[in-house]
Amino acid sequence: DAKTTQPTSMDCAEGRAANLPCNHSTISGNEYVYWYRQIHSQGPQYIIHGLKNNETNEMASLIITEDRKSSTLILPHATLRDTAVYYCIVRSPNYGGSQGNLIFGKGTKLSVKP
Amino acid sequence: EAGVAQSPRYKIIEKRQSVAFWCNPISGHATLYWYQQILGQGPKLLIQFQNNGVVDDSQLPKDRFSAERLKGVDSTLKIQPAKLEDSAVYLCASRPPGQGAGETQYFGPGTRLLVL
Repeated sequence: DAKTTQPTSMDCAEGRAANLPCNHSTISGNEYVYWYRQIHSQGPQYIIHGLKNNETNEMASLIITEDRKSSTLILPHATLRDTAVYYCIVRSPNYGGSQGNLIFGKGTKLSVKP
Repeated sequence: EAGVAQSPRYKIIEKRQSVAFWCNPISGHATLYWYQQILGQGPKLLIQFQNNGVVDDSQLPKDRFSAERLKGVDSTLKIQPAKLEDSAVYLCASRPPGQGAGETQYFGPGTRLLVL
């Protein structure tokens, strides 16, 4: 089962920041937080991942609380093309074999509106 | 670089028929995955290959599903015979070599299967 809890859906106005929360209260010390998104009729796309420090890349920022029990994905200036299902996944480092495989929940459906 | 390729993109069959899906991973990616995504749910892993060997097939319904990756590159997933509940999107993903946290999976566009 997925180790994360996310809201089913969220709306965001175009041009505004989208803040997507994720709870992962049972995360282990060596587990990473990953975010993927899935635009309609496409496969999931990797966004960002982090362990305990905040991370930023060209797509988004990831804020992880100090106790690591929750995190927030931030899309700083949401566009209509960011409308998608966003998955928060807790993942072990890949030490080979099936460890480190992705377990998807139902994610958050983000609707960016004009 | 080219992404993960899958074909066909869409398939409609009747129950009890057979169907096969094809996946060509990103060049150099040793690990290949097949997922099943039922409408409204997240993808569920069916099988994982490392080169041409199976690493994890614990979620694969082996009475009707089979998969192979004979030369460690392309892979096929087959359903025989299909049931109504097999209607879903079948996603293929591949991952570059390495065992660090940064080696993530790249997904293909999926094959949408409808069983009537």
